[in-house]
Amino acid sequence: EDQVTQSPEALRLQEGESSSLNCSYTVSGLRGLFWYRQDPGKGPEFLFTLYSAGEEKEKERLKATLTKKESFLHITAPKPEDSATYLCAVFTGANSKLTFGKGITLSVRP
Amino acid sequence: DGGITQSPKYLFRKEGQNVTLSCEQNLNHDAMYWYRQDPGQGLRLIYYSQIVNDFQKGDIAEGYSVSREKKESFPLTVTSAQKNPTAFYLCASSGTGAADTQYFGPGTRLTVL
Repeated sequence: EDQVTQSPEALRLQEGESSSLNCSYTVSGLRGLFWYRQDPGKGPEFLFTLYSAGEEKEKERLKATLTKKESFLHITAPKPEDSATYLCAVFTGANSKLTFGKGITLSVRP
Repeated sequence: DGGITQSPKYLFRKEGQNVTLSCEQNLNHDAMYWYRQDPGQGLRLIYYSQIVNDFQKGDIAEGYSVSREKKESFPLTVTSAQKNPTAFYLCASSGTGAADTQYFGPGTRLTVL
């Protein structure tokens, strides 16, 4: 069974304090790994898709990387508006579904 | 603007009632999905459809039903057989290529009174 584990469950940062969020996975045949951002009471907003080990993608203060066992979402010099829950999901092609981790709640203090 | 709409935003149901959640998309996507989100848990797949007039059960389909009569619409009915229906329901859509990105709607929060 596909498994996705995100850590830590919650992270509190000071504005400008860079850090990384981890997503480790156990799947047979990864075809894509997705990162989403979710604000309270809203639907997830797509951030990145990574398809193969070694791939990296960047958007503003966020950078996502992928290895054969895990993905990291690096946040450089975060701002309070980066506060949200970050979701990681994997796609293997089985049943067309995404398997999600439980999410990491990030809080950035001014 | 292209996107996914869900209605209503909030829904209250008495025990024993069936309720239907609406999901519409104008992204011209073939595939549509329903997920359920509970506090402290990852999103779980209820049903999905890759083409009109066809749909498959996900991991937690018991107590739910769907229809796909139009490409743009994928309504979800929460029946009285669903034992614990209070949750946040999310609809998504995507293309049908390998690992196509799923885009989500704003969600419907269902509360059973």
